[in-house]
Amino acid sequence: ETGVTQSPTHLIKTRGQQVTLRCSSQSGHNTVSWYQQALGQGPQFIFQYYREEENGRGNFPPRFSGLQFPNYSSELNVNALELDDSALYLCASSLGQGPLDTQYFGPGTRLLVL
Amino acid sequence: AQSVTQLDSQVPVFEEAPVELRCNYSSSVSVYLFWYVQYPNQGLQLLLKYLSGSTLVKGINGFEAEFNKSQTSFHLRKPSVHISDTAEYFCAVSERSSNYQLIWGAGTKLIIKP
Repeated sequence: ETGVTQSPTHLIKTRGQQVTLRCSSQSGHNTVSWYQQALGQGPQFIFQYYREEENGRGNFPPRFSGLQFPNYSSELNVNALELDDSALYLCASSLGQGPLDTQYFGPGTRLLVL
Repeated sequence: AQSVTQLDSQVPVFEEAPVELRCNYSSSVSVYLFWYVQYPNQGLQLLLKYLSGSTLVKGINGFEAEFNKSQTSFHLRKPSVHISDTAEYFCAVSERSSNYQLIWGAGTKLIIKP
């Protein structure tokens, strides 16, 4: 059992709205990464947080933002939703940031934008 | 930029037969290689990873993968599959130059025929 949880499991929004997705990391894991997985594709890296600071970002616009809290929880916020934002959003937690640190994934939040 | 190609979107195989899932990456610089499995409605789970050393890596559930630097490949194998291996398998690469961000392939669906 990975211990990483995400909420909600499913969400429906309309174009232009804003959404907040939540993730609870394994206790003691200082790093959280967020990914977008469109249907039929592999995950795409959105950004990573280490000890509450953004530590790396993929090719996503600024309307994708995040927060990490001291209690090992984190949020992904998406503003001005577009139809193409429909996807499975995954968070993964790890002890550190390097390849030695296994990332443990949550089950994801499936977002549908109409 | 680094990219990962999983050559087969679906691989059907009979139960108890061997299977190979193919993965190629684009860059020949020092990389770290991973295979993850995604069971239906579950989060991604690490199967195995190559960081250094022996090119043959053994993972969970009887899977193994071989790192071939000259062919930039990291194919996943299992000598005898079981119905419970039905899942989607993702190959991923990370390297220090991109702060160890995981770059993912599009996935291969393993379909076990009884």
